Amino acid sequence: ETGVTQSPTHLIKTRGQQVTLRCSSQSGHNTVSWYQQALGQGPQFIFQYYREEENGRGNFPPRFSGLQFPNYSSELNVNALELDDSALYLCASSLGASAPEKLFFGSGTQLSVL
Amino acid sequence: RKEVEQDPGPFNVPEGATVAFNCTYSNSASQSFFWYRQDCRKEPKLLMSVYSSGNEDGRFTAQLNRASQYISLLIRDSKLSDSATYLCAVNMGTGNQFYFGTGTSLTVIP
Repeated sequence: ETGVTQSPTHLIKTRGQQVTLRCSSQSGHNTVSWYQQALGQGPQFIFQYYREEENGRGNFPPRFSGLQFPNYSSELNVNALELDDSALYLCASSLGASAPEKLFFGSGTQLSVL
Repeated sequence: RKEVEQDPGPFNVPEGATVAFNCTYSNSASQSFFWYRQDCRKEPKLLMSVYSSGNEDGRFTAQLNRASQYISLLIRDSKLSDSATYLCAVNMGTGNQFYFGTGTSLTVIP
């Protein structure tokens, strides 16, 4: 196991609601990245946090936001949920934010928006 | 053009076969390349890193071709347990933020 834990494992929400997903990084890792994986697609980069600061963002609207805490755990918040937000949300931790640091993924949160 | 392109397959091969996957990328500044394995609706698990000099781990060999901007994964003597989706990951520049391919589905048949 990677030591990266995510909660909850599954979540059902309705359009317009807000959701918070949580991630605890592997011990010693100061970087957390969030990815969205729709069915049949590869993971898509949402954003990354390095030492509590946002360190890069993918092509996602501002209603996707996050933060990282002093213990390097992280949250992903999504406001005004849309049907297309239904996906597996993956958190990955790494030792740092520079290449070639590897990503280690948690088991993900499956979000369904009805 | 997508940043990373990968043949989705599916690849259905008999046990013992050799199978190869390719993945092309568009950003010539990319520095880090990995192959991940993903079982159905589980998280991607790191399979191996990819270097220009090649990287071999048992039955698995990964290769990077910078000139043509593609990476490859070769699986020899396929086992039933190799059935999964294989994702290539290419970093976006100097950091470890990655583009992933859509994944290639492999089924090894008895």
